[in-house]
Amino acid sequence: KAGVTQTPRYLIKTRGQQVTLSCSPISGHRSVSWYQQTPGQGLQFLFEYFSETQRNKGNFPGRFSGRQFSNSRSEMNVSTLELGDSALYLCASSLALGGGPYNEQFFGPGTRLTVL
Amino acid sequence: DAKTTQPPSMDCAEGRAANLPCNHSTISGNEYVYWYRQIHSQGPQYIIHGLKNNETNEMASLIITEDRKSSTLILPHATLRDTAVYYCIVRVGGAGNKLTFGGGTRVLVKP
Repeated sequence: KAGVTQTPRYLIKTRGQQVTLSCSPISGHRSVSWYQQTPGQGLQFLFEYFSETQRNKGNFPGRFSGRQFSNSRSEMNVSTLELGDSALYLCASSLALGGGPYNEQFFGPGTRLTVL
Repeated sequence: DAKTTQPPSMDCAEGRAANLPCNHSTISGNEYVYWYRQIHSQGPQYIIHGLKNNETNEMASLIITEDRKSSTLILPHATLRDTAVYYCIVRVGGAGNKLTFGGGTRVLVKP
């Protein structure tokens, strides 16, 4: 079974631009979560989607948004990029939403975004 | 979700057991203890989880104290590939999939 895939793997943008990252969950998984990882703040939860609806959101500004499609694939968008948005963006998929302690999450390799 | 406290780093000799402690003194009755690890430049990987009983799988063992205020992840025979950052997380089972990561423990397995 294929794992979680994220595209692109690496991205370089300049301040003020916007970016869209893509995540394809494991087949059959319906929940997708996004995380940002930086050296200073560590791994931080961005948001979670299930059945095309955002179910939970972390403490990030409105420039960060996402969506989920009917096939469970998800995208996240960051508008008006700032230097501090440089980070590894990780996507995780799981079978269900809050499906109990055995609903473990599987992470993708991440997209490394550099903002110049 | 309850906060966890882990040592920032530890070394381990290849072939020996690695014992990774985690303090979660404010854990509530319906919170599970999860362990994930992140090998350099990869996404985190689930290792094991437990509520109050000790758990074992092909990767590791999890020992939770009787009062549930602390736990230990045991890698029975550490290999160089076990070098990673290990995260202890507590969260309510069934309450969504959000994981709150702390600083973790950076484990270096030495030959």
